Amino acid sequence: GQQLNQSPQSMFIQEGEDVSMNCTSSSIFNTWLWYKQDPGEGPVLLIALYKAGELTSNGRLTAQFGITRKDSFLNISASIPSDVGIYFCAGRTYNTDKLIFGTGTRLQVFP
Amino acid sequence: EPEVTQTPSHQVTQMGQEVILRCVPISNHLYFYWYRQILGQKVEFLVSFYNNEISEKSEIFDDQFSVERPDGSNFTLKIRSTKLEDSAMYFCASSVKGAGKNIQYFGAGTRLSVL
Repeated sequence: GQQLNQSPQSMFIQEGEDVSMNCTSSSIFNTWLWYKQDPGEGPVLLIALYKAGELTSNGRLTAQFGITRKDSFLNISASIPSDVGIYFCAGRTYNTDKLIFGTGTRLQVFP
Repeated sequence: EPEVTQTPSHQVTQMGQEVILRCVPISNHLYFYWYRQILGQKVEFLVSFYNNEISEKSEIFDDQFSVERPDGSNFTLKIRSTKLEDSAMYFCASSVKGAGKNIQYFGAGTRLSVL
């Protein structure tokens, strides 16, 4: 089945540093979404991408829809302690509503 | 801000028992979903539901699972005879529309523990 490989698996960074994570697949997706999950909570949408090459920002977060439609990345600039959590990419292919989730990137931010 | 609400937050059950997980989707949403997340793993799609019928389901969603929209506000997931491997977080999600710019909003989840 379709799989999304997310990297890195985990990151330990200092407050103020920039973060970059990415998601790759062997399949083409027509929507990419980035969610954040806090412990014991459901995924919360951060950014949605709908077109190949699209670059979208949400505050300190920037995400891009890869030109090949098989990848996406998320950047977080000037990280703060509340950025701690697990970040998931999710993709959706044409003509389906189901989301395929990536394996997640666990982010730890140290003051 | 409208949100998807799920009850209970934690359900403990004995193997072989039936459980019903409840969700109240966002009020103007028409598409409903269940996902699950086994501890430490990624979120997996179970089923999507629109216009009072299942529109898509995964291999995980076998005959032990069923979904229902019993009234205008609730959306339920029933597991007929729970197994140990059903232990997971179950997330309900809803969206205004399907396909296109389909944004799915997730509830906080129900943690199901099967003993």
